[in-house]
Amino acid sequence: EPEVTQTPSHQVTQMGQEVILRCVPISNHLYFYWYRQILGQKVEFLVSFYNNEISEKSEIFDDQFSVERPDGSNFTLKIRSTKLEDSAMYFCASSLLGGGNTGELFFGEGSRLTVL
Amino acid sequence: GENVEQHPSTLSVQEGDSAVIKCTYSDSASNYFPWYKQELGKRPQLIIDIRSNVGEKKDQRIAVTLNKTAKHFSLHITETQPEDSAVYFCAASIGGGATNKLIFGTGTLLAVQP
Repeated sequence: EPEVTQTPSHQVTQMGQEVILRCVPISNHLYFYWYRQILGQKVEFLVSFYNNEISEKSEIFDDQFSVERPDGSNFTLKIRSTKLEDSAMYFCASSLLGGGNTGELFFGEGSRLTVL
Repeated sequence: GENVEQHPSTLSVQEGDSAVIKCTYSDSASNYFPWYKQELGKRPQLIIDIRSNVGEKKDQRIAVTLNKTAKHFSLHITETQPEDSAVYFCAASIGGGATNKLIFGTGTLLAVQP
């Protein structure tokens, strides 16, 4: 069964450093997402991406964050200058459908980011 | 703003009993309501979903009901088993835009005691 894959599974970084989290969505999916989950809390929407551009972003997704689809398979989340409060599990997700035809989101296993 | 509330935050039941988790949503434009199960350290996995044109949906021991007027939806698990123990999240897809952004509830930790 196809699945969303994410790397790295865990990254430890120093405050102020740049981090790139990588995702390979399911190959025929058209909509891509990043969510984050602070330990013990709910899953929070960060950003959605369709047709090579951001469709929607949350208040969390400020100027320190960026996303990119550099080729036909990868979808990346970059945090330019990490803060302690960026420590969380970051989930990539993809879906075949979107907009008025809502479809299932498939989540990756997550990348745990620890900022020291 | 957009919000999904979920209750209870924790739920402990005996094996074989039923469990009910309830959610309310704020945006009447929401049209898709999935439920995710998340085991410790794992990804959220879809267990059942319902769309706004349906009032109830069942899949073996799991059922979901939707009351659009009251903006409530609930997850029902019957004949619970220890392997049902996990955190359950409800979510709502807020209408508009080009994507189906999900807004998640705060989660319910379900513990099924053998």
